[in-house]
Amino acid sequence: EDQVTQSPEALRLQEGESSSLNCSYTVSGLRGLFWYRQDPGKGPEFLFTLYSAGEEKEKERLKATLTKKESFLHITAPKPEDSATYLCAVQATGNTGKLIFGQGTTLQVKP
Amino acid sequence: DTAVSQTPKYLVTQMGNDKSIKCEQNLGHDTMYWYKQDSKKFLKIMFSYNNKELIINETVPNRFSPKSPDKAHLNLHINSLELGDSAVYFCASSQRRGDGYTFGSGTRLTVV
Repeated sequence: EDQVTQSPEALRLQEGESSSLNCSYTVSGLRGLFWYRQDPGKGPEFLFTLYSAGEEKEKERLKATLTKKESFLHITAPKPEDSATYLCAVQATGNTGKLIFGQGTTLQVKP
Repeated sequence: DTAVSQTPKYLVTQMGNDKSIKCEQNLGHDTMYWYKQDSKKFLKIMFSYNNKELIINETVPNRFSPKSPDKAHLNLHINSLELGDSAVYFCASSQRRGDGYTFGSGTRLTVV
């Protein structure tokens, strides 16, 4: 069964304190791995798609990496505005477009 | 200029009632989805339509019925609402089935 597990469930950082969020997955065949950011009361906002092991993508203070079993979202020198829930999802090979989500990591960055 | 818009944003209703949630996207995308987010923020797919054709129908009670009058609209009708239906329902769209989604802002349904 395709599955996504994120850790930690919650993370508190001081402003400027870099860290990483983990997304472990099992999928029959990976078509893509997606990262989203969700603010309270809003819908998830697309950040990155990674397609193959070794691929990396960056956006401002965020960098996503992918291996055959997991993905990391590295946050460098975070700011309070980076506080949000970060969701990881996988899409299996096939043609349905279905995303299987993890439970998310809630990040709080204190000034 | 909202890309994916859902109405209503909040819905409070009694058990046994029937309600609908509407979704519209102005991105020209071909595929639309309904996801349910439970109290632990876990998102799970319910339905997907590609150009008005149903392509995903997960294990969802048949009290839930999606309808897509055209590729820009996907509505969700729920009959005989139950307490366990309380959740946030998100509509999303993508250009193609393998692309990242654009989500709406969600509809918080509370059944009392």
